[in-house]
Parts: sequence; structure tokens; C-alpha cells
Amino acid sequence: EVQLVESGGGLVQPGGSLRLSCAASGFTFSDHYMDWVRQAPGKGLEWVGRIVNKANSYTTQHAASVRGRFTISRDDSKNSLYLQMNSLKTEDTAVYYCARVGITYYYDHWGQGTLVTVSS
Amino acid sequence: DIQMTQSPSSLSASVGDRVTITCRASQGIRNYLAWFQQKPGKAPKSLIYAASSLQSGVPSRFSGSGSGTDFTLTISSLQPEDFATYYCQQFDSYPLTFGGGTKVEIK
Repeated sequence: EVQLVESGGGLVQPGGSLRLSCAASGFTFSDHYMDWVRQAPGKGLEWVGRIVNKANSYTTQHAASVRGRFTISRDDSKNSLYLQMNSLKTEDTAVYYCARVGITYYYDHWGQGTLVTVSS
Repeated sequence: DIQMTQSPSSLSASVGDRVTITCRASQGIRNYLAWFQQKPGKAPKSLIYAASSLQSGVPSRFSGSGSGTDFTLTISSLQPEDFATYYCQQFDSYPLTFGGGTKVEIK
């Protein structure tokens, strides 16, 4: 069974840093592209970024709203996806989801999400 | 960036109703569109990919159509478990963008 479990969320002050993790199991993690998607309280979904697989050189894409502050990485040996968030702003407050990009090149599995609150 | 506009933003319907939600892209995206369902406090669930292909395990009352700039999600006979918010997302080009969502409520 495919499982994606996010962790690392919490309360952080503006300007602070946080690293989110997404632990994958039940599939060959190294084969898949992986995305981060977030949702501010009471708002819609926002794509944060993507990391592709080793075969495609681990290329990353980031949304303009987070570019230069957030970095997506992965460790295939640990079946884990990461989101390093620096210079956090109050508007980064959201539930952060990891999503697997399936063989169809669309999402087929989502994690349960982890809440990040940026507040003083 | 490609803007995705969903309509309506909310609707009220009864069990058994046929429901149609529209998603319009600000430029052509071929058929690179997906639909998701989200219930309160839960992660999104993937319903449809490539505009009209059903994800594994999704009931056949859900269907999608469209190409280019105009897309629809149809629920042929609304069931109690279908009351949720629905989102479209384009996968044609970066940044991937979502529609604003359509909340389907009980009439």
C-alpha cells in the first residue's frame, strides 16, 4: 500500500526556518517525481514545487511565491522527500501536502498533510 | 502563468442530481488537466487525470471532458459522500496552477 507521511510542521516565528519531511513507503520511491502542495486556512490549493527523479537529474521547480526561500530535495536511500523553508512569512501558514506523481504524470497519492504556522 | 477559473464557486444540490462543474484555462492546456475532491480536514483525493481518465477506484458516476481551454467535471447522480470541494489543476506547464475550487453543498 502506498503511504506518504508528512512531518516537521509546527509554530515558527516570521523569518525563521523549518524543514518538512515526507516519508514514502509501499512503492519504489526513486522512480517517481514528487510535489509539495499547500493550503492556507480556509483557502484553496497552491502548488509549491516539484523534484523529479534521478533519471532526470533531480531537477526542481518552485513556485514564484517561494523561490529563493524554499528548497525541495530528496534522499532516495531513505525514501524521503524534504521541503526546507527559510525566511518564513506569515503568509506561508498552511497545511503542506506531499503528492506522488504517478506513471500517468498526474498525482495519484497524497499525504495527510502537516500544519505550518508562522506567527510571532 | 496559466490562470484556472472554476465556476460556480459553490452550488447546492440534492442526492440524485446531475452536477456539472466548469474549469477554464487562460490559455490552451491540451488535455493536461486533473480534478480533485477534498472533504473538510482531509487531504485532496485524485479523481480524474488527462481531462477524462478516471483514477483507479473512483466511482463511474464521475466523469470529465474537455480539451484546450474548457473542461467539465460531471457527477451523474450525486451521492451523500460526494458533498465536498472540487478543484481542477493544469499540468501543461510550470507553475502548475489550481482553480479556486467549487463547494458542493446539500440542498
